[in-house]
Amino acid sequence: EAQVTQNPRYLITVTGKKLTVTCSQNMNHEYMSWYRQDPGLGLRQIYYSMNVEVTDKGDVPEGYKVSRKEKRNFPLILESPSPNQTSLYFCASSLYVGAPRRPRDTEAFFGQGTRLTVV
Amino acid sequence: LAKTTQPISMDSYEGQEVNITCSHNNIATNDYITWYQQFPSQGPRFIIQGYKTKVTNEVASLFIPADRKSSTLSLPRVSLSDTAVYYCLVGRPGNTDKLIFGTGTRLQVFP
Repeated sequence: EAQVTQNPRYLITVTGKKLTVTCSQNMNHEYMSWYRQDPGLGLRQIYYSMNVEVTDKGDVPEGYKVSRKEKRNFPLILESPSPNQTSLYFCASSLYVGAPRRPRDTEAFFGQGTRLTVV
Repeated sequence: LAKTTQPISMDSYEGQEVNITCSHNNIATNDYITWYQQFPSQGPRFIIQGYKTKVTNEVASLFIPADRKSSTLSLPRVSLSDTAVYYCLVGRPGNTDKLIFGTGTRLQVFP
């Protein structure tokens, strides 16, 4: 089954304790990205990756790191989490971001979400 | 990237047709228009994508006028399960583009 898998689904941690949220896709997609969602602010992009070893900042990258060593994985790293990073996080992937050759070529598939609480 | 503007919220009743309009005055020639649906505590889900005129699939229709400065997502005969947030995205194809979601339109369907 084609899917994007995030882990963990729920996480409560303390300020300053490094954590990693994993994201894996099994669709051989080139493009992957991380979003955070907060009430009243919608979905905001943290980082994105166009392909292996290619990453770039989104709109709210401060306090986050990512890596793309393999095509299927795109972990989100919080080196020193703070309470303002308490949020709902989504990982997404798409075949590519380019002129669609078919109607759904640029469709983004999202993971189930990770609800992170930093106390 | 073209900025989009859509209503914050809409209410409807079961069985009615719902039309959600998105304004994108600065849409560029190569931009496509895409709509996503998001249920509470779930990731957004692709609904429909179009470039011009009308696109229809099993879920919705997308109407795009000739000037492409707006688009309308049409949901026929909504049910309670259509209660969700709907996002309009406008993006120019190219390897440097990002998927930018705004705050979306919160649709509430009543029985």
